[in-house]
Amino acid sequence: DAKTTQPPSMDCAEGRAANLPCNHSTISGNEYVYWYRQIHSQGPQYIIHGLKNNETNEMASLIITEDRKSSTLILPHATLRDTAVYYCIVRVAENDRGSTLGRLYFGRGTQLTVWP
Amino acid sequence: NAGVTQTPKFRILKIGQSMTLQCAQDMNHNYMYWYRQDPGMGLKLIYYSVGAGITDKGEVPNGYNVSRSTTEDFPLRLELAAPSQTSVYFCASSYPGTAFCAFFGQGTRLTVV
Repeated sequence: DAKTTQPPSMDCAEGRAANLPCNHSTISGNEYVYWYRQIHSQGPQYIIHGLKNNETNEMASLIITEDRKSSTLILPHATLRDTAVYYCIVRVAENDRGSTLGRLYFGRGTQLTVWP
Repeated sequence: NAGVTQTPKFRILKIGQSMTLQCAQDMNHNYMYWYRQDPGMGLKLIYYSVGAGITDKGEVPNGYNVSRSTTEDFPLRLELAAPSQTSVYFCASSYPGTAFCAFFGQGTRLTVV
C-alpha cells in the first residue's frame, strides 16, 4: 500500500522549473513525505524529505500543504539529466513504534521527461 | 565507503534452480531492504530487516527467504526459481532516525527461463 498518488508522466523544458505533485490524503501525523528518483533502471536516489515545513536542499525544494494532504517537489532549473522516475513516499519516523516501522513502500512514480 | 554492494549484476536461472542474491553495506546501517522491480513498474518490497537477527515480510515475500546474521549482510534466497521471478532486484540500507534516507545498490537483473 503506497498511500500516495502521482501522475504517471510529465514533461518539462530544459531550464524551466519542474513541479511534481503528490497526493497523500491519508497521511498520518507522524508520517514524513520522502522523494526519491530513479534514473534509467539505476538504484533509486534520495532527494529530499519533510514533515510539515517546506524544505530546500541543493537538489530540490519540497512544498507541503498546510493540511499535509499533498506536496510538490520542485526542481528549479530542470536539466536533461533530471529525466527520471520520481517517487513520493510517506513513512513513519524510525523511532515511532508502529506496525509499519522499517517499511518503505514505492508506488509507480512519475516519469519526468526533460526535453531540450 | 563502497555503500551498498549487490552481486551478481546479472544472472540467468533455469526454472527450479536456486540462488542467493548477495547484498552488503559498509555504512553500519541497521535497516536493510530487498525490492523487486518489474518492467515499467515501481518497486515492491520483498523483505526488510531492522537489525541483525530480525527480518520481516514486505508486500511480495512468497518464493523468497532472507537472513540477517550480521549488520553488514542481507542475502536474498530464491529456492525454486520461477519465470514470475524474472525482475530487477534492489537492495537498500538506512539508518534509523528522523533524518532518514535509504541508499540503494545498483541492482541485480535476474532472468528465469
